[in-house]
Amino acid sequence: GQNIDQPTEMTATEGAIVQINCTYQTSGFNGLFWYQQHAGEAPTFLSYNVLDGLEEKGRFSSFLSRSKGYSYLLLKELQMKDSASYLCAVIENDYKLSFGAGTTVTVRA
Amino acid sequence: TAGITQAPTSQILAAGRSMTLRCTQDMRHNAMYWYRQDLGLGLRLIHYSNTAGTTGKGEVPDGYSVSRANTDDFPLTLASAVPSQTSVYFCASSASGGGMETQYFGPGTRLLVL
Repeated sequence: GQNIDQPTEMTATEGAIVQINCTYQTSGFNGLFWYQQHAGEAPTFLSYNVLDGLEEKGRFSSFLSRSKGYSYLLLKELQMKDSASYLCAVIENDYKLSFGAGTTVTVRA
Repeated sequence: TAGITQAPTSQILAAGRSMTLRCTQDMRHNAMYWYRQDLGLGLRLIHYSNTAGTTGKGEVPDGYSVSRANTDDFPLTLASAVPSQTSVYFCASSASGGGMETQYFGPGTRLLVL
C-alpha cells in the first residue's frame, strides 16, 4: 500500500520562495517524481530523484532523503505563472507511480 | 509533434451506457497508462500496458477495460457507466514500463455520469 502526504494548499508572494514537503510510506522505493499541473491541464514533469540529495534545475530544486521517506520541492523567485498544483509521486516495488493528492500553490502579487 | 491526444475532451453520459475513451500517442512509447483524477485523491492508476499486446490492472480497475492492439493506441472502455465514474481521465505514456522513466500525459477527458 502507499501513503503519500503533502500539504493541500500554500500561498506565497511573487518573488518569494516556497517549499512543498512530501512524506511517503510506500511498498518499496525506486524513485520520486514531482509534476506541475495548471488548472484544467495535464501534469507536466518537473524533476526526478532516486538518490539522496538536492537536484537543482533553474528556479526549481528537489530534495530527497530516502531514510526519512521525505522529499521537498523548492520554488525560488516565484512568478505568477507558478500558481498551479504540484504532485509528488513515488515509484513503488511494482514500478508503478503512486501519486499524492497534490499541493495547490497560489502566488499573490 | 502531437505527443498524446485524447478524445473526447469532455462528455456527459447517462448511467448504464457504455463509452470508450480514446488515447493515441505518436512518440513510439512502449508503455501507456490510464489514470483518473478526483478532487482530494490525486491521480489513481486504472490500467496500464507495458507493451503492445499486454495489459495490467492498476489500483482502481473495476468497471473499466482496456486493450492494446498496437503501440500507438490505448482505449479505455466503461461497459456500464455509474455516477462514481464521474472524473477527469488522463492517459499517459513512457518510453518503457520500467517506472523510472518520465510519464507524459494527455490533455484529459472530463466525464460526467448522470
